[in-house]
Parts: sequence; structure tokens; C-alpha cells
Amino acid sequence: AQKVTQAQTEISVVEKEDVTLDCVYETRDTTYYLFWYKQPPSGELVFLIRRNSFDEQNEISGRYSWNFQKSTSSFNFTITASQVVDSAVYFCALSERVPMDSNYQLIWGAGTKLIIKP
Amino acid sequence: NAGVTQTPKFQVLKTGQSMTLQCAQDMNHNSMYWYRQDPGMGLRLIYYSASEGTTDKGEVPNGYNVSRLNKREFSLRLESAAPSQTSVYFCASSATGTGWDTQYFGPGTRLTVL
Repeated sequence: AQKVTQAQTEISVVEKEDVTLDCVYETRDTTYYLFWYKQPPSGELVFLIRRNSFDEQNEISGRYSWNFQKSTSSFNFTITASQVVDSAVYFCALSERVPMDSNYQLIWGAGTKLIIKP
Repeated sequence: NAGVTQTPKFQVLKTGQSMTLQCAQDMNHNSMYWYRQDPGMGLRLIYYSASEGTTDKGEVPNGYNVSRLNKREFSLRLESAAPSQTSVYFCASSATGTGWDTQYFGPGTRLTVL
């Protein structure tokens, strides 16, 4: 079963527009963690943010903001006033405990390719 | 600090050949991971090592073996490469392997199996 769904395969906007990337997750755990990573065209994976399931406060970091809503199992990412350098693939990931184990695993969404046109 | 390093960056193999992907981290992290990334899909965990001396299977372990050589190094071996193993491979590390821990990634190895 799909545990992390990023329904938007690709989004294309013009520079300076605001854009929201959706992430919906599924878990039975009461304690879990959510992450966003960025993969620019160069290919590396860059950590952006993490949240735990007990903290539903929204987070803002410059032009980036994240909206975590447990009621809808969503952790959406908004870029305000987008720039060409924001063009990348963005991944949402869920960290949950491995069954019958004390370790955690990251379950990744398929990613959303964001294209910012000048 | 180099972070997480991987070698090689690119590799082309013929079906049936073997090779080892190397990964090293200099952050004194306990946990290390190997993922593969295929087009249109998120990363999938192949194997992980929660701490030195332990390794465990992830979601897609078939066709791979791993060795946690020491705290710094975690290698991935393909014994008999198949075209289905054509992918980009990422190594990652995290401090403790707990759910809250951020995983830091290497630059990736692009592997093509003909």
C-alpha cells in the first residue's frame, strides 16, 4: 500500500508565482516523522525540513513554508515567489518504525518535479 | 568535512558481471543506508546498518549484499548484475537511526547494466 503519496508528478509555473506541493501519508503509528528533501538537476539529495507527529505548528523558512495537518494526514510544502533556482524534484518522506524492530525506515513519495520558468 | 562520499560516480556493467559500490562517511554516524532510485519512483531502501556490526534487509534486497566494514564504511555488492539493477544508487548516513534523525546523502552512483 502506498504510504506516501505525492499526487503531482510535475508542476510548471512562471517565476514569482507561489506554488504548493502536496504530500499525503498513511501510517498506523502515533509517533512518526515527516521529511522534505530537494533533488536539484545536479542529482544530490538535500534535506529541507523534518516534523514530528506531535508538532502541528506550521513552519516558515524564508520563502519556504510547510503546513502539517494530522486530521488530513498531509504535510504540504509551499514556495512563495518562486525562483528559477527552485527548479528541482521534491520528495516527501515518512519515517516510521520497522515492524518487529526498534529501527526506523524512511518511506519515500515518488516526488514532484517542479519547473520554474523565467 | 566531506560528509558522505561514494565511488564510483558512474559505472557500466555487462549482465552477469559483479561490482562493489563504496560508501564512506566522516560524520561519526552510527547508521548507514543504501537506496536505489528509479525513474518516477521515490527512493527504495536496499539494506541498512543500524550500527557497526549489524546489517538488515530493506524493501528491495534481492540481488545485493552489503558489508559494514567499520563505522565509516558501508559497501554494496552486486554479485551478478542484471539489467533490472540499472538505477541510481545512493548511500546515506544518520547519527543514531532513530525516527527523528536526518539522513544525509552521498552524491549517488549511476549504474547501467547492459
